[in-house]
Amino acid sequence: AQTVTQSQPEMSVQEAETVTLSCTYDTSESDYYLFWYKQPPSRQMILVIRQEAYKQQNATENRFSVNFQKAAKSFSLKISDSQLGDAAMYFCAYRSARGGGSEKLVFGKGTKLTVNP
Amino acid sequence: DVKVTQSSRYLVKRTGEKVFLECVQDMDHENMFWYRQDPGLGLRLIYFSYDVKMKEKGDIPEGYSVSREKKERFSLILESASTNQTSMYLCASSFAGEGWREQFFGPGTRLTVL
Repeated sequence: AQTVTQSQPEMSVQEAETVTLSCTYDTSESDYYLFWYKQPPSRQMILVIRQEAYKQQNATENRFSVNFQKAAKSFSLKISDSQLGDAAMYFCAYRSARGGGSEKLVFGKGTKLTVNP
Repeated sequence: DVKVTQSSRYLVKRTGEKVFLECVQDMDHENMFWYRQDPGLGLRLIYFSYDVKMKEKGDIPEGYSVSREKKERFSLILESASTNQTSMYLCASSFAGEGWREQFFGPGTRLTVL
């Protein structure tokens, strides 16, 4: 079974600074997807960024980028120019590419990010 | 915009009551999911459904059942609520098939069982 580990229960960053959230995963599969989801306080979970395992190039979405190291099974999220609105719980998630009953997401335990003004 | 709605944001029930949590999506998604979110444990999958009347157990199905009679609606049922089922429940939906298939989440139902 796949597992996802987020080793940082809490992180903090100063506004306008850069922060990196860590995520490692364990799988025997070669084809899969990785995601970072954001859950602001009392608001809905939204997708921040995704990475297909077959792609070597790291995904980027505006101020959010990932460092995907397939051999090391590492998938960290970098937030540049942090804003107060980035304060949230961040979840790393894994999904098999096999489809069918494997379409469920496996989540890490989350990292609570605080942004200090 | 994709919209996933859940019937209640907050719910308080008594031990032994039968509890229904409803989820509706408006994007014709094949897949629907129920997760439970607890502090320090992240999200854990309870059940998911890949078609009408079809369901599969997730990682923590004990004490729960589900119903999907229509494509847009997925219900989570607690047959006899217990205090250890006090939690945040999140519903999600997605298209099925190949590709990365984003899951869209509802706002969550915070259930308290007294």
